[in-house]
Amino acid sequence: GAVVSQHPSRVICKSGTSVKIECRSLDFQATTMFWYRQFPKQSLMLMATSNEGSKATYEQGVEKDKFLINHASLTLSTLTVTSAHPEDSSFYICSARGGQGGFSNEQFFGPGTRLTVL
Amino acid sequence: AQTVTQSQPEMSVQEAETVTLSCTYDTSESDYYLFWYKQPPSRQMILVIRQEAYKQQNATENRFSVNFQKAAKSFSLKISDSQLGDAAMYFCACGGYNQGGKLIFGQGTELSVKP
Repeated sequence: GAVVSQHPSRVICKSGTSVKIECRSLDFQATTMFWYRQFPKQSLMLMATSNEGSKATYEQGVEKDKFLINHASLTLSTLTVTSAHPEDSSFYICSARGGQGGFSNEQFFGPGTRLTVL
Repeated sequence: AQTVTQSQPEMSVQEAETVTLSCTYDTSESDYYLFWYKQPPSRQMILVIRQEAYKQQNATENRFSVNFQKAAKSFSLKISDSQLGDAAMYFCACGGYNQGGKLIFGQGTELSVKP
């Protein structure tokens, strides 16, 4: 159990276009989903936290108008990279946390999406 | 604020030997959790082991165990009987009970296993 999927796994787009990445919890309801960005050989950098039905909370330095996050249901969160540029090329990972209250519910990670902007 | 530091960018171990990965953290939270995640070349994050800070007993999962020193804010991971499949990036992470589930990750340690 506790499987999180991401789609697409890889995407190549032209500069100036927008790209949407989906994150789904397949067998549990995710009250909270997290979006990370990871550069090669580096750690995961938290971009934002999204709770179902409310606005996402962005980390300092992350442009909320560039990285639009929607968490419309308990099983789906989307990250839209708007007007993508080559510097947005990266590996994007989502994670989902279920249950109610406390921190006993661990984060389950999706397999990641590699975005390349030409 | 929370910080997590992994001071070993790379480690190497001989197959069947034991290796210890270091992690130190700092948090103002009184209730928090600590994790070790493994990220193999596939880049899928896999939970290796977790430790609740209020528990004194060190967590163990088969060949993986931790040495949790709360006063020193240290949380090292010991891998016994290392296997080729253990080769990966290992990330230490800390999450505060009152942080809504957020995790702060360390810089990572790349572990290679020599046959």
